[in-house]
Amino acid sequence: DVKVTQSSRYLVKRTGEKVFLECVQDMDHENMFWYRQDPGLGLRLIYFSYDVKMKEKGDIPEGYSVSREKKERFSLILESASTNQTSMYLCASSPAGTGGTDTQYFGPGTRLTVL
Amino acid sequence: GNSVTQMEGPVTLSEEAFLTINCTYTATGYPSLFWYVQYPGEGLQLLLKATKADDKGSNKGFEATYRKETTSFHLEKGSVQVSDSAVYFCALGTVGNEKLTFGTGTRLTIIP
Repeated sequence: DVKVTQSSRYLVKRTGEKVFLECVQDMDHENMFWYRQDPGLGLRLIYFSYDVKMKEKGDIPEGYSVSREKKERFSLILESASTNQTSMYLCASSPAGTGGTDTQYFGPGTRLTVL
Repeated sequence: GNSVTQMEGPVTLSEEAFLTINCTYTATGYPSLFWYVQYPGEGLQLLLKATKADDKGSNKGFEATYRKETTSFHLEKGSVQVSDSAVYFCALGTVGNEKLTFGTGTRLTIIP
């Protein structure tokens, strides 16, 4: 059974803290994604990685960075958390080479609250 | 660029009612089209997909037909159940682009 796991389901942090969200997939997928989900806005892509150490900015990268040191793990970093980063964060993965024709597999999400 | 426009919610229906959630798209090239579902407290999971015009995707009693002439991929189910209560996302992908474009989601609530 394919699986994408995220390190926390719920997280509460204070403004200015550095926050790490971790995502691990066991499907040997090349592509990994970080989205944020907000009511009325749907899913917005923050960053995308297509290989180890490779990354590409998505639609809303400001205030975020990412790290992909191993194929199975993709980390989202909030360098200095702010209240407008309170959101649901979703990680996903997909195999490479299929373009936009293949399924993305999602983790359960991390609901982050920044106070 | 690519975009997906989805029927705004929330949508509330009685059990056994007929469901339609509208989805239209704009894309360069020939997209693949997807419906994802998010049950309460969970991540998204693929519900169905279609990769070329006139294809019909189906799963769990849900269906959607890829209509190139109307650039639509409407989701339908003949008789909804309480367990279908979830948020539904329409999405598209295009060859050569590893990313998907998602609609804003439609929250569906089924009342007994």
